[in-house]
Amino acid sequence: EAGVAQSPRYKIIEKRQSVAFWCNPISGHATLYWYQQILGQGPKLLIQFQNNGVVDDSQLPKDRFSAERLKGVDSTLKIQPAKLEDSAVYLCASSLWQGLAGELFFGEGSRLTVL
Amino acid sequence: RKEVEQDPGPFNVPEGATVAFNCTYSNSASQSFFWYRQDCRKEPKLLMSVYSSGNEDGRFTAQLNRASQYISLLIRDSKLSDSATYLCVVNSAGTASKLTFGTGTRLQVTL
Repeated sequence: EAGVAQSPRYKIIEKRQSVAFWCNPISGHATLYWYQQILGQGPKLLIQFQNNGVVDDSQLPKDRFSAERLKGVDSTLKIQPAKLEDSAVYLCASSLWQGLAGELFFGEGSRLTVL
Repeated sequence: RKEVEQDPGPFNVPEGATVAFNCTYSNSASQSFFWYRQDCRKEPKLLMSVYSSGNEDGRFTAQLNRASQYISLLIRDSKLSDSATYLCVVNSAGTASKLTFGTGTRLQVTL
């Protein structure tokens, strides 16, 4: 079974530029998550989708971050304009359901460096 | 107070040692708990769920103390391959479950 696919794996941009990350979850997984992991910290939830609807985006900096999952399958996360503090690994994860016992399957992440 | 708190470590232990990590959580209504493992520059992967009665998987034992709001992970007979960061994860109650990760505890097992 294919895992969660993410691209690009690495991206280096200058501050104020824009960047987009793509994620394709495991087939059949209804719930998709984007996490931000800054070096030395645990993953922080940015946004959670159930099919193509947003369940939780309370920690998404909406002035610069946006995410969509139009057809309930793959998703994109965009940052515009980027700031130095956005340097992090952006992890996409999926799960079969958003229930309390669901296991998250993570992609390898997209490592962003903002100069 | 952070929702999920862990000692970041690092814990440096010799091969064969027993090591224990604790994690505290602030939301008393939290319903489920997990330990994830994250190798250096890799993605987190589920290590084990934590059940109220405690559970064991080989050399790993997880326990939950709801009264004190902490969970623990015990690793017996440590192996070099156990070197990683161990993330405590708590799922908040509610209509939309939310997994909150701790900062992780780094374990380094040495010869």
